[in-house]
Amino acid sequence: QTVVTQEPSLTVSPGGTVTLTCASSTGEVTSGFYPNWFQQKPGQAPRPLIYGIGYKHSWTPARFSGSLLGAKAALTLSGVQPEDEAAYYCLLFHGGAWFFGGGTKLTVL
Amino acid sequence: QVQLVQSGAEVTKPGASVRVSCKASGYTFTNFGISWVRQAPGQGLEWLGWINVKNGKTNYAQSLQGRVTMTTDTSTSIAYMELRSLRTDDTAVYYCVRDWDYQWHYWGQGTLVTVSS
Repeated sequence: QTVVTQEPSLTVSPGGTVTLTCASSTGEVTSGFYPNWFQQKPGQAPRPLIYGIGYKHSWTPARFSGSLLGAKAALTLSGVQPEDEAAYYCLLFHGGAWFFGGGTKLTVL
Repeated sequence: QVQLVQSGAEVTKPGASVRVSCKASGYTFTNFGISWVRQAPGQGLEWLGWINVKNGKTNYAQSLQGRVTMTTDTSTSIAYMELRSLRTDDTAVYYCVRDWDYQWHYWGQGTLVTVSS
């Protein structure tokens, strides 16, 4: 059973930059894990942001970007806005199954 | 536009079964797969499984093997997720998601399933 680990919480100032990471218990995250990233605000369904490491959906703001950082998948927010305060989940594919990370609660303060 | 509209909230008892539906519109139903995800109150997301709508092939999460069945009705563009032998810790919001080629694009609005005696 693959365990996917994210930072439980992060705080960033408005206008700042923050990077969220996503690690796999199986080892290095590669393109073959097909990382997806989602934003979720209270009471709402998750909103897809990134797929395939760094591809954006048509609705994804330009300030969001995905990448591989060391052995992890990463989501970087540049020029953070107050409305970016939310929970962020990564999703990895491994061994024929999908695994979500526990989520990162991002506070904009 | 692509929409996934799920059935309404359910309240059921331990040991019972529940079936959640997900009606797709705005795209060719058989060209994509459907994943199901749940979120217990105050908790994170859990992938439950996936169905290839074109051929009906399924892949279920290990944790739910034997209790979950995913099906589709291509004549009505509806996907179904049935969960059996319900326990109180199955209480969660259940989501359907259009999933194809490792890309997760569109989510349903969610269905709250409450399991309580």
